[in-house]
Amino acid sequence: GNSVTQMEGPVTLSEEAFLTINCTYTATGYPSLFWYVQYPGEGLQLLLKATKADDKGSNKGFEATYRKETTSFHLEKGSVQVSDSAVYFCALRNAGNNRKLIWGLGTSLAVNP
Amino acid sequence: DAGVIQSPRHEVTEMGQEVTLRCKPISGHNSLFWYRQTMMRGLELLIYFNNNVPIDDSGMPEDRFSAKMPNASFSTLKIQPSEPRDSAVYFCASSLVQGGILYGYTFGSGTRLTVV
Repeated sequence: GNSVTQMEGPVTLSEEAFLTINCTYTATGYPSLFWYVQYPGEGLQLLLKATKADDKGSNKGFEATYRKETTSFHLEKGSVQVSDSAVYFCALRNAGNNRKLIWGLGTSLAVNP
Repeated sequence: DAGVIQSPRHEVTEMGQEVTLRCKPISGHNSLFWYRQTMMRGLELLIYFNNNVPIDDSGMPEDRFSAKMPNASFSTLKIQPSEPRDSAVYFCASSLVQGGILYGYTFGSGTRLTVV
């Protein structure tokens, strides 16, 4: 079946460090891939997405590239800030009229000043 | 657009009481989702509606939980009777899918439910 696997957290970094949060998926066909972010006390917000292989999604300094050959969509940021402290969720949606997103378990990131 | 609106933001209730959570989706969206989030289980999809019709309720934990969507602009999630293990943050999300393309998938701010 379809599934999303994220690296376990928590991830703790110092400000300005490089961030990678790994995400791999299992799906039939050509899914769309998403990263959502959840700040403390808030709902999930779309951070970035990619809809086909080799697409790169980017937003707020974060990037992720849709790699079909490795079925991965790793999230990266070159220099994290304290304000990036949040939980990050990777998700996929199968092509067609499918309404459901398949979610990873989330990875907590804490950035220390 | 005001986004997905949930109410109340916080609810504290005694065990055995009925709890009703409310959600107003984004206007024009045709699907609505109810999620539960806990530390132990993470984010769980409880039920979702397409064009106001329940499509998949396999995530609803038991008969104490029920959800309705009487029209395109309103949905409720009811727990009766509530139990302490129902304590969680409940999120509503709405989306628009047309012609196979996802145009948006937006979450509300959630309702934090505490059952004592």
